Amino acid sequence: DAGVIQSPRHEVTEMGQEVTLRCKPISGHNSLFWYRQTMMRGLELLIYFNNNVPIDDSGMPEDRFSAKMPNASFSTLKIQPSEPRDSAVYFCASSPRTGRRDTQYFGPGTRLTVL
Amino acid sequence: AQSVTQLDSQVPVFEEAPVELRCNYSSSVSVYLFWYVQYPNQGLQLLLKYLSGSTLVESINGFEAEFNKSQTSFHLRKPSVHISDTAEYFCALGQGGSEKLVFGKGTKLTVNP
Repeated sequence: DAGVIQSPRHEVTEMGQEVTLRCKPISGHNSLFWYRQTMMRGLELLIYFNNNVPIDDSGMPEDRFSAKMPNASFSTLKIQPSEPRDSAVYFCASSPRTGRRDTQYFGPGTRLTVL
Repeated sequence: AQSVTQLDSQVPVFEEAPVELRCNYSSSVSVYLFWYVQYPNQGLQLLLKYLSGSTLVESINGFEAEFNKSQTSFHLRKPSVHISDTAEYFCALGQGGSEKLVFGKGTKLTVNP
C-alpha cells in the first residue's frame, strides 16, 4: 500500500488567503484524523472521522477551520481566511477499525507557512 | 482530564550508550499507550504499543517500554543506541474505547558518534 498521502507537501500563502489541505487515507481504513504540529503546542488533534462522519471536532481552533470527508478515500482541511498563527505542519492519519485500539498511520505532513 | 508528560525535551547520548526516554501519564480510567518515532521531515511511525497483558513491550529494532500502572509511567529504553536512532520520540495515551490519542510534547534523541 502507498500509505497515507497528503498534498501539497509544502504550502506558502499570504494572510487572508484560503488554504486547502488534502488527504487520501490507506485503502480500507475506517478512521481518519487531522493533527497540527507546532513547536509551542506539540501535536494536537483537530478532528477525526469514522466511516466518513465527523466524530469529534473539539480540537478545531475556530470557525476559520473546516474539514470534510466526502468519501472513504478523500478528506480536506480548509482554512479560510488563513492567518500567520496557522503556520504549522498538518498531519493526516488513518486507522483500520472503528472504536478499537488501533495504530494510527501518519502521512508525511503538509508544511504550511502563512506570511 | 488525561495528559501525557515527557520530562525531557532533548536527550543527547553517544553511540552504543543506553538511553531511557521518560513518559508519565494522567488518566482516571484504563489506558493504552504508544510510542511513535518521527524522523526529520517525515510523519510519525509506530514504534511499539501497550494495550493489555504483558507490561513489557518490545519493538523490532531493540527498543522496549514497560507499562507501570502504580507509577503511571511508560518509559522507553534501549540498551545500545545507533546513529540511526536519532529522531523525535512521542509518547501517546488513549483511554477506554476512544480512538482519540493525546500526545506528549516529544523528546528529541540525538545520538553522537
